[in-house]
Amino acid sequence: GAVVSQHPSRVICKSGTSVKIECRSLDFQATTMFWYRQFPKQSLMLMATSNEGSKATYEQGVEKDKFLINHASLTLSTLTVTSAHPEDSSFYICSASDRGRWNEQFFGPGTRLTVL
Amino acid sequence: AQSVTQLGSHVSVSEGALVLLRCNYSSSVPPYLFWYVQYPNQGLQLLLKYTSAATLVKGINGFEAEFKKSETSFHLTKPSAHMSDAAEYFCAVSEGDSNYQLIWGAGTKLIIKP
Repeated sequence: GAVVSQHPSRVICKSGTSVKIECRSLDFQATTMFWYRQFPKQSLMLMATSNEGSKATYEQGVEKDKFLINHASLTLSTLTVTSAHPEDSSFYICSASDRGRWNEQFFGPGTRLTVL
Repeated sequence: AQSVTQLGSHVSVSEGALVLLRCNYSSSVPPYLFWYVQYPNQGLQLLLKYTSAATLVKGINGFEAEFKKSETSFHLTKPSAHMSDAAEYFCAVSEGDSNYQLIWGAGTKLIIKP
């Protein structure tokens, strides 16, 4: 149990376009979802935390108008990178928690975004 | 404020040798501690976690870690390294039930020599 999927696994887009990444909890209800960004050979950087049905809480320095997060249901959260630029190229990882699991986060496989 | 320090960005061991990855933390409240593994171009997989029960925690793939409050450490060990253990390992800490947010170490790349 506790499987999280992400779609797509890889995406290449042109500069100026928007890209949507989906994160789904497949066999549990995710009351909280997290979005991370990971640069090559570095640790994870938390971008935002979202609770189902409420607005996401963004970390300092993360542009909320650039990275739109929606957590409309207990099994789905989406991250939309709006007007993407090459500097947005990165590995984006989501994770999900539910209140019954002692503070554990379950991670998706990640999405590699390349902006040309 | 919480923080996590992983000593050594790279650790290299021979196949069959002991693996020791170091993690020290700081926390103002009793912490929850985690070790995750990341294989290239993949998400993170939980190896093990400490949540205030037994101080010696056994995880998957033969890994274990010991919580030492006096040393504020949570080092990860495995008696005998396997080639498949080559990956990036991350230590993380959280404050517990009131805050699910994880504070991450910088990661340690484990290299296994044949």
